[in-house]
Amino acid sequence: ETGVTQTPRHLVMGMTNKKSLKCEQHLGHNAMYWYKQSAKKPLELMFVYSLEERVENNSVPSRFSPECPNSSHLFLHLHTLQPEDSALYLCASSQSGGGSGANVLTFGAGSRLTVL
Amino acid sequence: AQSVTQLGSHVSVSEGALVLLRCNYSSSVPPYLFWYVQYPNQGLQLLLKYTSAATLVKGINGFEAEFKKSETSFHLTKPSAHMSDAAEYFCAVTVNSGGYQKVTFGTGTKLQVIP
Repeated sequence: ETGVTQTPRHLVMGMTNKKSLKCEQHLGHNAMYWYKQSAKKPLELMFVYSLEERVENNSVPSRFSPECPNSSHLFLHLHTLQPEDSALYLCASSQSGGGSGANVLTFGAGSRLTVL
Repeated sequence: AQSVTQLGSHVSVSEGALVLLRCNYSSSVPPYLFWYVQYPNQGLQLLLKYTSAATLVKGINGFEAEFKKSETSFHLTKPSAHMSDAAEYFCAVTVNSGGYQKVTFGTGTKLQVIP
């Protein structure tokens, strides 16, 4: 596989469930990101991992817990979510440093989350 | 701090007509600017990027954008719209932040192409 792969593509969960979103990149990139995309709102950066270290956490509620076990994998663990957390969650990766590929985010297709 | 403003959340054009999607940016340092496209049920895909090499940037699918510093604009154009161009388009600005991209996206413009 190539690019950025996200699973599952669709997830429905109750407010008391615990689930995880998975992201895998096959591009050799060294930074990975979680974005939240809600209707009529700009994309919200949630977390950034650079060289497997979390470098950004944009005031995200603790019911969202990221994990980056290696440079190719990123998880978003979900627990006791609220209906307003329903959104499209996008994973992206990038390569830091110079070169023509620098500064470009490569996105996965997203995981559509519905919280009942 | 950096930001982008996209004028018009919805734009409709006839097939074959000029496409013009507007973006203005604000950045305290020379910016990198991007246009991304999102087709239904998909993630964002890079259309083109400006990294100070040339002010007129050509991208995929016949799109291009011109960086105008004096107007702080980076509008996206395509001479002739095709039905397959119907999608949502996002302007974005970024600066390097210690090895990763701190990207700020606009609110998006949905392009409708009328046959």
